[in-house]
Amino acid sequence: AQSVTQLGSHVSVSEGALVLLRCNYSSSVPPYLFWYVQYPNQGLQLLLKYTSAATLVKGINGFEAEFKKSETSFHLTKPSAHMSDAAEYFCAVLRNTGFQKLVFGTGTRLLVSP
Amino acid sequence: NAGVTQTPKFRVLKTGQSMTLLCAQDMNHEYMYWYRQDPGMGLRLIHYSVGEGTTAKGEVPDGYNVSRLKKQNFLLGLESAAPSQTSVYFCASSPGQGGTQYFGPGTRLTVL
Repeated sequence: AQSVTQLGSHVSVSEGALVLLRCNYSSSVPPYLFWYVQYPNQGLQLLLKYTSAATLVKGINGFEAEFKKSETSFHLTKPSAHMSDAAEYFCAVLRNTGFQKLVFGTGTRLLVSP
Repeated sequence: NAGVTQTPKFRVLKTGQSMTLLCAQDMNHEYMYWYRQDPGMGLRLIHYSVGEGTTAKGEVPDGYNVSRLKKQNFLLGLESAAPSQTSVYFCASSPGQGGTQYFGPGTRLTVL
């Protein structure tokens, strides 16, 4: 069954530093993968999604993710962190056994310091 | 266009009490979902609906019931609340299966 694992429940970076949030997936078939962001006291919103069209996916707010089949990874990156990026980030995979459901990782909280 | 809205935003219940959470969407989406979010566990699917008048169980359906009498509304009910149901509940909708899901702002429920 498809699943995702997010490494690191918390990641701390300084403003202007590279952001790298890790996600590894488990799937026997080409997966659909997503990154969602949750700002404090808000619902989740889609950052980007991979649907096999291109391995490098660009999302909103300067984020991007690269699908690497050989590493079963879909890590999220941003070249330069802003204070406004502080949030919780969730990786998710679309499970397509029967009804297609989103299966979420446990989340990574990004802390950005001045 | 309000997207997905949830009522109420906060609620405190005593063990054994009942309540209903309301989710409404104005995007004419067929699919709607209820999730719960607990620390360190991500989001888990409680129930979902693939259209008006239909509902189905997700990963963690026990203790919850749902109804989708109108396409735009999806109700989540707790008949006899338990402390284990203390959580943040999110509603979401999508135009189709596998499509991007749009989330509401959440309801924070505490059961004492």
